[in-house]
Formats: sequence, structure tokens, C-alpha cells
Amino acid sequence: GQNIDQPTEMTATEGAIVQINCTYQTSGFNGLFWYQQHAGEAPTFLSYNVLDGLEEKGRFSSFLSRSKGYSYLLLKELQMKDSASYLCAVSGNQGGKLIFGQGTELSVKP
Amino acid sequence: KAGVTQTPRYLIKTRGQQVTLSCSPISGHRSVSWYQQTPGQGLQFLFEYFSETQRNKGNFPGRFSGRQFSNSRSEMNVSTLELGDSALYLCASSTEGYTEAFFGQGTRLTVV
Repeated sequence: GQNIDQPTEMTATEGAIVQINCTYQTSGFNGLFWYQQHAGEAPTFLSYNVLDGLEEKGRFSSFLSRSKGYSYLLLKELQMKDSASYLCAVSGNQGGKLIFGQGTELSVKP
Repeated sequence: KAGVTQTPRYLIKTRGQQVTLSCSPISGHRSVSWYQQTPGQGLQFLFEYFSETQRNKGNFPGRFSGRQFSNSRSEMNVSTLELGDSALYLCASSTEGYTEAFFGQGTRLTVV
């Protein structure tokens, strides 16, 4: 079957660093996406990884290990506005079809 | 560059009715995928259209259908609406290599 796991909830402090993990088992792999979704809004694209390693983009970085079926999203210098749901999604061997995890609800506290 | 546009933003329908949702992708993107998002099930793939052809289909009943026009705009239709169809319907626009996928604001459908 196809499965993507990520923690349901996380809490962190403003100014800190938080790492959101995602493990996946899918038939085929063509890349892994991370999205941010605020309540009542659409998912916003954060990153795309297809090769192993770390991709850095400002305060956000994403890491991929294909051999381990593992990725993480690293958020630095947390701000209150980073409170949102973070979605991990895998593109398998079916074109534009993305398989999503259930999302990690991140709460940033003062 | 304009983003992905979905219309309408909100809809209220009665059980048994049918509904059509529209999605205009980013200019130059030929792939449009549709997703249903509910609190219990998360984001689930409905189908993908590429150059007017359905390329992939998720595990939804035949009441859910779609099409794509020559300008890449896509429509999704749900017939014989059920209460459980209440959800946020999102479309995603992608390039041919699928290295990026951007979502529209979604259509929130409420079935009463």
C-alpha cells in the first residue's frame, strides 16, 4: 500500500527551530513536496525534493533520504505566523497525483 | 504571473443536486489535478487532466467527473450530491515535469 506518516501536532516557541518529520512508503517516487496551510486557506508550496540532501530556502529547509523513505522540514527563527498545518506529499509513478500525509499542526507560542 | 483561480469560492447545495466547479491553471501549465479535503480524510486525489485527457483517477465514485478544455481550464462536476460531499475542493496546477504544483484558493462546498 501507500502510506505517508507525519506527527499530528507539534508545539514550539517563537524564535526557536522546529523539525517536522515525514516517512513514506509509496509505489514509485518522483519527488516530495512540502506545503503550508493556514486554517481555511489553500496549501502554499514550500519546497520540492527529488534528490537526496538538504534544500535551503530562507528560514525553511527540506531534507530527503530516498533510501530511508524519510524527509523533514526545518523551520528556523520561528514566528507566530508560522502556526499552521504542514503537509508532506509524495509524487509517485502516476504523473500529477500527489499522495498527502494527514498534516502536522504546528503551534508557535510566545 | 497570475496564480491558480478557482470559482466559485463558496457554494451551498441541496442533497440530490449537481454542481460544477471551475479551475484556471497558471499560464503555461497543462496539468490540472483535483483534490477533496475534509477534516477526517485530509487531502485526497480525485483526478488529473493533462492536455484535455484524464491521466489519473482516484478512488471516488462515478458521480465525480471532470474535463479539461483546450486552454487548460478544467471543470469538475459532482452529480446527485450527498451530505458527505461537503468539503473543500482544491485544484493544483503543474508543469509537465511535475516539479512544482500550486494550489488554487479552493471551493468550499456545503451540502444541506
